[in-house]
Amino acid sequence: NAGVMQNPRHLVRRRGQEARLRCSPMKGHSHVYWYRQLPEEGLKFMVYLQKENIIDESGMPKERFSAEFPKEGPSILRIQQVVRGDSAAYFCASSPGQGNEKLFFGSGTQLSVL
Amino acid sequence: GENVEQHPSTLSVQEGDSAVIKCTYSDSASNYFPWYKQELGKGPQLIIDIRSNVGEKKDQRIAVTLNKTAKHFSLHITETQPEDSAVYFCAASRADKLIFGTGTRLQVFP
Repeated sequence: NAGVMQNPRHLVRRRGQEARLRCSPMKGHSHVYWYRQLPEEGLKFMVYLQKENIIDESGMPKERFSAEFPKEGPSILRIQQVVRGDSAAYFCASSPGQGNEKLFFGSGTQLSVL
Repeated sequence: GENVEQHPSTLSVQEGDSAVIKCTYSDSASNYFPWYKQELGKGPQLIIDIRSNVGEKKDQRIAVTLNKTAKHFSLHITETQPEDSAVYFCAASRADKLIFGTGTRLQVFP
């Protein structure tokens, strides 16, 4: 029973490039969440998605960031034209939904912007 | 929206002693309060959770208490061991997203 799978584990980008982070939820989970963690800080909520729907994107920066969770395939967090301030660990979590709030986290993607 | 505060930010204890981490939340509609443990280079792992209709919950050396009136909840770890060393996060939610505290770095010295 695989857990939440995130890839890549580490991603290095130069300023102005695009970063794509992928997340496959646990089997049977239809709800996906993305969080960002800066060094020595807590987890900041970014976006909450269900299959083909964005439920809450109140934590997403207004520009350059987007997320999707298609009918088939993993959830994608996309950051366009990355800047140094985007360097952080990005964690994905999934839950079964339907009133079950238990979140299970992946190991994260460490994004470094040079 | 919900705001969660967590104290202390760092906590050092001797092996065998108890550790207590405290959190407060602002949204009285929050009804689910999990605690996560994060080890270096890993994702957060759920260790215990409590719902607002319960005042206390125990699981071996770990317990969580909730005071709904004061909007406080706490994590208690007894008989600490070096492998308990990690960063611990509290969180609160009301059936949608979890809002996390800023974390407590616990160090258990042998």
